[in-house]
Amino acid sequence: DTEVTQTPKHLVMGMTNKKSLKCEQHMGHRAMYWYKQKAKKPPELMFVYSYEKLSINESVPSRFSPECPNSSLLNLHLHALQPEDSALYLCASSQGGGRRVYTEAFFGQGTRLTVV
Amino acid sequence: TQLLEQSPQFLSIQEGENLTVYCNSSSVFSSLQWYRQEPGEGPVLLVTVVTGGEVKKLKRLTFQFGDARKDSSLHITAAQPGDTGLYLCAGRKLAGGTSYGKLTFGQGTILTVHP
Repeated sequence: DTEVTQTPKHLVMGMTNKKSLKCEQHMGHRAMYWYKQKAKKPPELMFVYSYEKLSINESVPSRFSPECPNSSLLNLHLHALQPEDSALYLCASSQGGGRRVYTEAFFGQGTRLTVV
Repeated sequence: TQLLEQSPQFLSIQEGENLTVYCNSSSVFSSLQWYRQEPGEGPVLLVTVVTGGEVKKLKRLTFQFGDARKDSSLHITAAQPGDTGLYLCAGRKLAGGTSYGKLTFGQGTILTVHP
């Protein structure tokens, strides 16, 4: 099973709304990621969690707030977003940690976010 | 500075033609992955290459990792319309011996195969 599940698949929110994106994996992976992707562009890394601790924040604005409640779940809390934040938000996971030097990342289907 | 240079960025070909996509860097990677992505969906992992000089085949797709682990190529034989999509290479550099850090993506190649 190499499945990463993201919900919801589509989300439309106003600039004053608060919403959350959810991601779940049951592969026992200890590294989880949030990426943002604009149309026809590669994914851009936002956050990396390793062993439920935030290890990388790519200078993402505070209106995006990640949370890792346990090793299987990753959330992205959204507040006061701008229209330019509209994009496909991808969650990924990999074995990570230790000295595993060739761990693949598996991606979810993504959440298509539209900010109006 | 783009760490992984992927080319070409756009490729439009007829069904049955062959094509090659390149992924080049001046950095050494511990591993390199190739993904295929359809619009509105997440990237799907096609292959991981780890050893310099490694060649992997997946049906009509052939993946090669350079001897120095700085570059890779994806060759598709007899392309079909179902091969249409965004192809992404992504590399993971060694960072202090750990591997859960950044996965660096190339710019992507948008492939369109016409019937």
